[in-house]
Amino acid sequence: SQQGEEDPQALSIQEGENATMNCSYKTSINNLQWYRQNSGRGLVHLILIRSNEREKHSGRLRVTLDTSKKSSSLLITASRAADTASYFCATDSTGGYQKVTFGIGTKLQVIP
Amino acid sequence: DTGVSQDPRHKITKRGQNVTFRCDPISEHNRLYWYRQTLGQGPEFLTYFQNEAQLEKSRLLSDRFSAERPKGSFSTLEIQRTEQGDSAMYLCASTPQTGGRGTEAFFGQGTRLTVV
Repeated sequence: SQQGEEDPQALSIQEGENATMNCSYKTSINNLQWYRQNSGRGLVHLILIRSNEREKHSGRLRVTLDTSKKSSSLLITASRAADTASYFCATDSTGGYQKVTFGIGTKLQVIP
Repeated sequence: DTGVSQDPRHKITKRGQNVTFRCDPISEHNRLYWYRQTLGQGPEFLTYFQNEAQLEKSRLLSDRFSAERPKGSFSTLEIQRTEQGDSAMYLCASTPQTGGRGTEAFFGQGTRLTVV
């Protein structure tokens, strides 16, 4: 089963524009992570935000977390063609063995 | 290269054959995960090891699937009597144990299985 659900499922923007992707999840979490995947490749970790944090920045990336709404957003500013990829949120749930579960992803296309 | 490595990268097999994939995690990581990913979907959790102990198995992991991590280092995922529905990318990831705080997972490049 997949914990997260990204929105939109596909996004197409012009180079230089900002891209915003949202993620909703169902259960209480320790942290939420965003990953990127280029076509047919493995996943690359982008950023991790803990459940007691509300916002985090890394370069052109800005992540917010609202645990009351069980949602997160990933903002990529000043997008580049090289940002074209699929983006997944992943949650590390509280309790149990803290397995990491993924959403279905947002496919981002940045048009040069 | 000190990242997670998976072998083989690609595997084509005939329906009904058995296949085995290998994952070598980052050496100091004691947690290892297997995921399956089909086209257009996110990775789906299959199973999870802490050291050599298999702590959780997804319902996706039918009795044709078995995973091992005999010495708490590398892991193997075997699929017996493969079916066309098993065609997917099989991803392995590892993380260090963090006392409950969670950390990023490091992924291998995956093994793409095609069952014909």
